Amino acid sequence: NAGVTQTPKFQVLKTGQSMTLQCAQDMNHEYMSWYRQDPGMGLRLIHYSVGAGITDQGEVPNGYNVSRSTTEDFPLRLLSAAPSQTSVYFCASRIGDTRQETQYFGPGTRLLVL
Amino acid sequence: AQSVSQHNHHVILSEAASLELGCNYSYGGTVNLFWYVQYPGQHLQLLLKYFSGDPLVKGIKGFEAEFIKSKFSFNLRKPSVQWSDTAEYFCAVSGGSSASKIIFGSGTRLSIRP
Repeated sequence: NAGVTQTPKFQVLKTGQSMTLQCAQDMNHEYMSWYRQDPGMGLRLIHYSVGAGITDQGEVPNGYNVSRSTTEDFPLRLLSAAPSQTSVYFCASRIGDTRQETQYFGPGTRLLVL
Repeated sequence: AQSVSQHNHHVILSEAASLELGCNYSYGGTVNLFWYVQYPGQHLQLLLKYFSGDPLVKGIKGFEAEFIKSKFSFNLRKPSVQWSDTAEYFCAVSGGSSASKIIFGSGTRLSIRP
């Protein structure tokens, strides 16, 4: 298994541009989440999904959209990038609503918005 | 809504010193508690987790944590740290029977002097 994969690894955007951060997992996990990591603020939950077709907002959802058309993929869209969205983005997945399960993280996407 | 506080932002220790990192959470119901570690340049890995039962949880690499319900705390400990423990440590919480969201603290950077 490849685990949780994210593309791209690095991206530079200009203010106002749009882009999609890709996340895929091959472990048949139901739950997937997007976090952003900023210095001194830890990881903050952006959006999460508990299964295909089901998404919900996390702590900091503004400026981001998600969809979950398949179990494997959970893309994160920035419709109009802002410098405040400069961050490292992590995708994570776990099997489901089972309290024993571990959450697995992808390698991250480093985004710079100029 | 649940929240997590990590009051130690940066801890500096010498090798062989004992370690205790503080974590306090806010949630009124049943909680699931986690400690994750992020080594330099790597993504997050699970150190240990608490769901129920024995409040003293043992994890990988000699780490342990104690859940004290009356204090809403889940502090991480290690009796003797090594230089390789240099990393950032995150406490996280999910709450209730659904446990669909995992919320992270702001992290504690641990630096070990050789």
